[in-house]
Amino acid sequence: DIVMTQTPLSSPVTLGQPASFSCRSSQSLVYGNGKTYLSWLQQRPGQPPRLLIYQISNRLSGVPDRFSGSGAGTDFTLHISRVEAEDVGVYYCMQGTQLPWTFGQGTKVEIK
Amino acid sequence: EVQLVESGGGLVQPGESLRLSCAASGFTFSNTWMGWVRRAPGKGLEWVADINHVGTETYYLDSVKGRFTISRDNAKNSLFLQMNSLRVEDTAVYYCARHGDRCFENWGQGTQVTVSS
Repeated sequence: DIVMTQTPLSSPVTLGQPASFSCRSSQSLVYGNGKTYLSWLQQRPGQPPRLLIYQISNRLSGVPDRFSGSGAGTDFTLHISRVEAEDVGVYYCMQGTQLPWTFGQGTKVEIK
Repeated sequence: EVQLVESGGGLVQPGESLRLSCAASGFTFSNTWMGWVRRAPGKGLEWVADINHVGTETYYLDSVKGRFTISRDNAKNSLFLQMNSLRVEDTAVYYCARHGDRCFENWGQGTQVTVSS
């Protein structure tokens, strides 16, 4: 199974400031078709998960443009350009390259 | 608007069974792979099972193989998860999720399953 490792596990952030979170996979997430199936999800308290970004850097329709993704191969990063209060929650990376699909442990984001 | 509404969760004893349902709307259900994902208390997300658009291919997390069965009824836009021989460690909120391209694009609100003696 592909192991997804996120750092940090907890991140106190300042409103209006940038933030970034890391995700590393135990093997390359490049699929046979050349695409890399790494997505990012947000789970606000008391809410279901919500897909933010797929295939490393493609933002889902309706997701604020302050969220962006980068990376390649086994190392990936979610960026928030300016943190807002509604961004509090847990952020998960997920790989869809190989079954079983696996998630990182999550990075819990809270406001300082 | 895509809507996924789960039902069927509850409190059961170890060894008992539950059947979860997910009512889907707002998209062409019969064209879409679907899955179940769970979140145990104090833990992260864990994929449980997937089913292809016509129900001929199913995939499972190793720890639920032989105990859980995913199925669908495309005529009723419904997804199911039959859970047998439940264990304490199956306690979680179970989410029905619609696949995008090898990602989970839409999620239901979840249904709580608690296995306890």
